[in-house]
Amino acid sequence: EVQLVESGGGLVKPGGSLRLSCAASGFTFSSYSMNWVRQAPGQGLEWVSSISSSSSHIFYADSVKGRFTISRDNAKNSLYLQMNSLRAEDTAVYYCARGRDRFNSYYFDYWGQGTLVTVSS
Amino acid sequence: DIQMTQSPSSLSASVGDRVTITCRASQSISSYLNWYQQRPGKAPELLIYSASTLHSGVPSRFSGSGSGTDFTLTISSLRPEDFAVYYCQQTYSSPSITFGQGTQLDIK
Repeated sequence: EVQLVESGGGLVKPGGSLRLSCAASGFTFSSYSMNWVRQAPGQGLEWVSSISSSSSHIFYADSVKGRFTISRDNAKNSLYLQMNSLRAEDTAVYYCARGRDRFNSYYFDYWGQGTLVTVSS
Repeated sequence: DIQMTQSPSSLSASVGDRVTITCRASQSISSYLNWYQQRPGKAPELLIYSASTLHSGVPSRFSGSGSGTDFTLTISSLRPEDFAVYYCQQTYSSPSITFGQGTQLDIK
């Protein structure tokens, strides 16, 4: 059974830092791209960042570029999101999601339960 | 960025009703369109990918159609567990991926 479990969320002051983790199990982690998606309270979904299976390709939404860093450790079956210079507008539930790349399609087929990040003084 | 617009933003329906949700892209995205369901307090779950392919384990009362800029998600006969928020997602311009704003489906 595919499982993705996020951790590391919490309350942080504006300008602070936080590192999120996503522990993967039930599949060959090193074979899949991974993503972070966030959802502000009462709002919709926003793609944040993607990383390819070998970490050779990394992408960010403009809203977090230069402040967030995605990484993975395939030996530990883990995905990370280092978040620096946090702002109030980064307050959200952060989900990790597995990317599935097929001919003429790309989608997020499994999601974690999410971890809440609150940026407030 | 490609903008995704869902309509309606909310709707009320009864168990057994047939419901259709529409998603429109600001430019052609071929069939790179996915649908997700999010129940209250839960993570999103994949329903349909590539506009019309049902994800494993998803009930057949869900169906998707469309290509280019206009897409629909149809639930043929609503069940109580279907009352949730539905999101479309385009991955045509991956890695710049965007979601629709969501459609809240409530019980009438």
